[in-house]
Amino acid sequence: ETGVTQSPTHLIKTRGQQVTLRCSSQSGHNTVSWYQQALGQGPQFIFQYYREEENGRGNFPPRFSGLQFPNYSSELNVNALELDDSALYLCASSTGQKTYEQYFGPGTRLTVT
Amino acid sequence: AQSVSQHNHHVILSEAASLELGCNYSYGGTVNLFWYVQYPGQHLQLLLKYFSGDPLVKGIKGFEAEFIKSKFSFNLRKPSVQWSDTAEYFCAVNVPGTYKYIFGTGTRLKVLA
Repeated sequence: ETGVTQSPTHLIKTRGQQVTLRCSSQSGHNTVSWYQQALGQGPQFIFQYYREEENGRGNFPPRFSGLQFPNYSSELNVNALELDDSALYLCASSTGQKTYEQYFGPGTRLTVT
Repeated sequence: AQSVSQHNHHVILSEAASLELGCNYSYGGTVNLFWYVQYPGQHLQLLLKYFSGDPLVKGIKGFEAEFIKSKFSFNLRKPSVQWSDTAEYFCAVNVPGTYKYIFGTGTRLKVLA
């Protein structure tokens, strides 16, 4: 069974740029959630995708957007990067809309300078 | 709004000492409760979970947690810690049938050999 994978591992961007982060969900999982984990904090929910549709969103501005593909892999896009966007971005996959149990990927460390 | 509080931000213990990490949540209804662990350089892993039934839940690596509904608490315990338990521990809450997990800010545990 393949776990959740994310790419890239690390990324450095400049303020104002755009970034795309990628996630491959665990085999058999059709739901993907994205989280932002700032240094010293717990993960903060960004949004969730279920069967290619956004299923819910946390308190993040519209410049955070996402996609889910037919194979249930997912992208997180962030436009107009700000210094505060520097964080570890986590992807978690699960089965169904009822997110009882999630499996997390290793994360992408984004640094905005 | 739902929230999760972890009162101990940093804990230092010697090997063989007993561990208890506090977790309190604010939500009046039914919840699913989780403890995740993040070992240095590794991704978030599920330690244990509570959905319903026996409020004393046993997880991996000798960890257990007790759900006390009247106190809105889900404290993590281990009778005798090992050096390999050095990690960051996160408590999380999910309202059944919703898409969101709410994480606490985490507790960094350091076990001295």
